[in-house]
Amino acid sequence: GAGVSQSPRYKVTKRGQDVALRCDPISGHVSLYWYRQALGQGPEFLTYFNYEAQQDKSGLPNDRFSAERPEGSISTLTIQRTEQRDSAMYRCASSLTSRSSYNEQFFGPGTRLTVL
Amino acid sequence: RKEVEQDPGPFNVPEGATVAFNCTYSNSASQSFFWYRQDCRKEPKLLMSVYSSGNEDGRFTAQLNRASQYISLLIRDSKLSDSATYLCVVNPQGSGGYNKLIFGAGTRLAVHP
Repeated sequence: GAGVSQSPRYKVTKRGQDVALRCDPISGHVSLYWYRQALGQGPEFLTYFNYEAQQDKSGLPNDRFSAERPEGSISTLTIQRTEQRDSAMYRCASSLTSRSSYNEQFFGPGTRLTVL
Repeated sequence: RKEVEQDPGPFNVPEGATVAFNCTYSNSASQSFFWYRQDCRKEPKLLMSVYSSGNEDGRFTAQLNRASQYISLLIRDSKLSDSATYLCVVNPQGSGGYNKLIFGAGTRLAVHP
C-alpha cells in the first residue's frame, strides 16, 4: 500500500520567504510526527499530532515554525521568514496509534529545504 | 550531554564479519528502545525493537542494559546489503505516552567484499 508521502521533495527558497511543507500520512494512521534531520545527524523531533490535535510542539525551534492537521489526515508544516539555518531535511512520520510505546513510526521521503 | 549517544563510525568490515554497535541514553525513565536503519538518502526504517530480555531477529541481536543505560546491536555474518547507518532510538515517554522518539546521530557501517 501507499506509504507516507511528502511534498515538495525539494524546496529552494530565499531568506525571508515563507514555506509550507505537506505530509500525507498512511491512510488510517492516527498519529503524525514532524522531524528535522541535519546532515550526519539523526532526526530531531519537532511536533506531534493525535488526530487533529497538536499534542506536543516542544520541538519547534521558535515561533516562526507552526504546524496544523485540521482534518486529522494531511498535515502542513509552515516556516515563516525562513533563515539559512532552517536548511535541512524535514521528515514526517505516521503511526497507527500512539497508545503502544512500540507502535512503529513510518517515515516519509522528506522535503529537502534549502534557504539561500 | 546528548540524550542518545552513539559512536559515529564508520565501521568498515568484510563480508561475513560480526560487528557490534553500542549506544547510551541519558533518561533513566525511558521505557522503549529501537534500532532504525537508514540507507543513504533514504528515510529511516525500523530494524527492530529492543526488549529488556534482549531479542534476536535472524542475524541481528539487540540487548538492553537498563542499569547502565546502554543498548547494543550485534550483526552476525555481515552482508554487503547491511551497509547503512544504524540509528539508536529511545522513547522517553514510557508506556501510555506517545511515541516521541529521540534519535542518536547514527553509526555508519560499510561492509566490503
